[in-house]
Amino acid sequence: GQQVQQSPASLVLQEGENAELQCNFSTSLNSMQWFYQRPGGSLVSLFYNPSGTKHSGRLTSTTVIKERRSSLHISSSQTTDSGTYLCALEFNTGNYKYVFGAGTRLKVIA
Amino acid sequence: GGIITQTPKFLIGQEGQKLTLKCQQNFNHDTMYWYRQDSGKGLRLIYYSITENDLQKGDLSEGYDASREKKSSFSLTVTSAQKNEMAVFLCASSIARAGNSDYTFGSGTRLLVI
Repeated sequence: GQQVQQSPASLVLQEGENAELQCNFSTSLNSMQWFYQRPGGSLVSLFYNPSGTKHSGRLTSTTVIKERRSSLHISSSQTTDSGTYLCALEFNTGNYKYVFGAGTRLKVIA
Repeated sequence: GGIITQTPKFLIGQEGQKLTLKCQQNFNHDTMYWYRQDSGKGLRLIYYSITENDLQKGDLSEGYDASREKKSSFSLTVTSAQKNEMAVFLCASSIARAGNSDYTFGSGTRLLVI
């Protein structure tokens, strides 16, 4: 079946530290997206990144299809980065629907 | 820029009540989705629709109905609210062409059943 595993499940950082969040998947995919969710908030798209590397400010997303993984790197973390990071994958089913990982809960302390 | 709007933002219902949540988007996106998120957990797909009047079941469709009345709107009905149920319902839309499923989410409807 189609599996999405995110790691770590939770993470606490000191402000200024870097973080590497992982999303591993079981079968080939068409699309993938990284989302950020503040507690009680909606989902905000960080990257649409089905393959390769993309940058946005302090964030970098790298998806390696043949290794069935995507990573989200946060550099020089800030307290405002706290929240949940979710990866979502569309597998080769032709159904245009995402399967979501359980998320990584990040807390950055000052 | 476009926007996706969910109403109501908060919904308090009684056990056994039928409750309807609404979602509207002006992106002209083909596909719309309803997800449920329970506290501290990921999203689970309830229903989705790839075009007007189309309806596809997700993994969590039991206990729900949905309706895609027109391309811009997608509503979800909780057919019989369960006591002490508490969850966030998130609507999303996407172009949904092959290799381009970039989703945009609404701000959510928070449900509490008393």
